Amino acid sequence: NAGVTQTPKFQVLKTGQSMTLQCAQDMNHNSMYWYRQDPGMGLRLIYYSASEGTTDKGEVPNGYNVSRLNKREFSLRLESAAPSQTSVYFCASENRANYGYTFGSGTRLTVV
Amino acid sequence: DAKTTQPTSMDCAEGRAANLPCNHSTISGNEYVYWYRQIHSQGPQYIIHGLKNNETNEMASLIITEDRKSSTLILPHATLRDTAVYYCIVRVGHRDDKIIFGKGTRLHILP
Repeated sequence: NAGVTQTPKFQVLKTGQSMTLQCAQDMNHNSMYWYRQDPGMGLRLIYYSASEGTTDKGEVPNGYNVSRLNKREFSLRLESAAPSQTSVYFCASENRANYGYTFGSGTRLTVV
Repeated sequence: DAKTTQPTSMDCAEGRAANLPCNHSTISGNEYVYWYRQIHSQGPQYIIHGLKNNETNEMASLIITEDRKSSTLILPHATLRDTAVYYCIVRVGHRDDKIIFGKGTRLHILP
């Protein structure tokens, strides 16, 4: 099925551990995005990539790094996880035909 | 800056039309109105978008006022599966304009 695939779906980390959240899309979209969503709140943009080889900061980039490995894949890395990074992380890609976003199903991350 | 204003929550009876309002009084001439929804625990889903004409697709209709300062998303025959948070967003619609989400409207469909 065409769409945005995120892995893992769930993860528990200890404070200070590192991990990479993976995102891949098979729709040949140029732009990709990482958002986080905390309980009862809307989505906040962490980083985005307008095209392969480019990345830019969003609203809440501190504590994260990203890599646009190729056109399909856009990963989000937490170098030293903190409890404040407990959240649900969503990856999205943009359909250039209507500039609508397709979102993945999310990664639920808990940092203890 | 919040570009849109939506009610925090709304109720609608199953089978009736759900009308979700959105105010965007500072919208620019080149900004589109987009609607997304997020069903519990899922990623947001694109519904519809428009510039100034009314739009309809298989999911919903979008009515934009003539002055473009407000719009209404219409779900013609709401079902329980339409229970979700609905986000109204204005954006230029090119790759350099990211989506900034607000709090949205929590729509409850009542059986």
